[in-house]
Amino acid sequence: QSVLTQPPSASGTPGQRVSISCSGGSSNIETNSVSWYKQLPGTAPKILIHSNDQRPSGVPDRFSGSKSGTSASLAISGLQSEDEADYYCAVWDDSLIGPRFGTGTTVTVL
Amino acid sequence: QVQLVESGGGVVQPGRSLRLSCAASGFMFSNYGMHWIRQAPGKGLEWVAVMFSDGSNKFYGHSVRGRFTISRDNSKNTLYLQMNSLRVEDTAVYYCARDYCGGDCYKFDPWGQGTLVTVSS
Repeated sequence: QSVLTQPPSASGTPGQRVSISCSGGSSNIETNSVSWYKQLPGTAPKILIHSNDQRPSGVPDRFSGSKSGTSASLAISGLQSEDEADYYCAVWDDSLIGPRFGTGTTVTVL
Repeated sequence: QVQLVESGGGVVQPGRSLRLSCAASGFMFSNYGMHWIRQAPGKGLEWVAVMFSDGSNKFYGHSVRGRFTISRDNSKNTLYLQMNSLRVEDTAVYYCARDYCGGDCYKFDPWGQGTLVTVSS
């Protein structure tokens, strides 16, 4: 699958755990490492996770990433109001010969 | 602190050209690969181009290949994107971003604030 498919939306109440999936294929997720980006409204994206499950310094440990086969996931535990944002997965795609971004997921804190 | 500031966006007619700039500060610019990434209004992210730190290699996304040219001036800590033969579908916010690993790992952080390019007649 050449497209990285994410659910359009996800939501939860403060304190809950939210998970976002990123579904790909053999040319991307299965063979390459996944990154995740957070984009607050009207601002530039910021890296949250790289190399499938690695958090850059400064990123809260409420955010965690995982990968299995042709899918990856981002989990947000202890959901907070400032987590309302768009989230994108990204991975190198061997068929595209370039990086590919997921379709994006809007997280809403109810 | 690390800062990337894009400029050069605006409204341009289809078929015309535009050059974007990205001024970098707060880090050793010449040690990092640099990328352009764009986002059409209300849409997702699309990688546009990369130039490695020493300028030896540059690569493009399929939708801009042959029309856009990425370049850099390490003496001025500035990245450029020359956009020719612009199309309506090139309308987007264009971000420059530093390669997270320094070289070519194609992970992006930090990003600039973006500059809006609108292609319209």
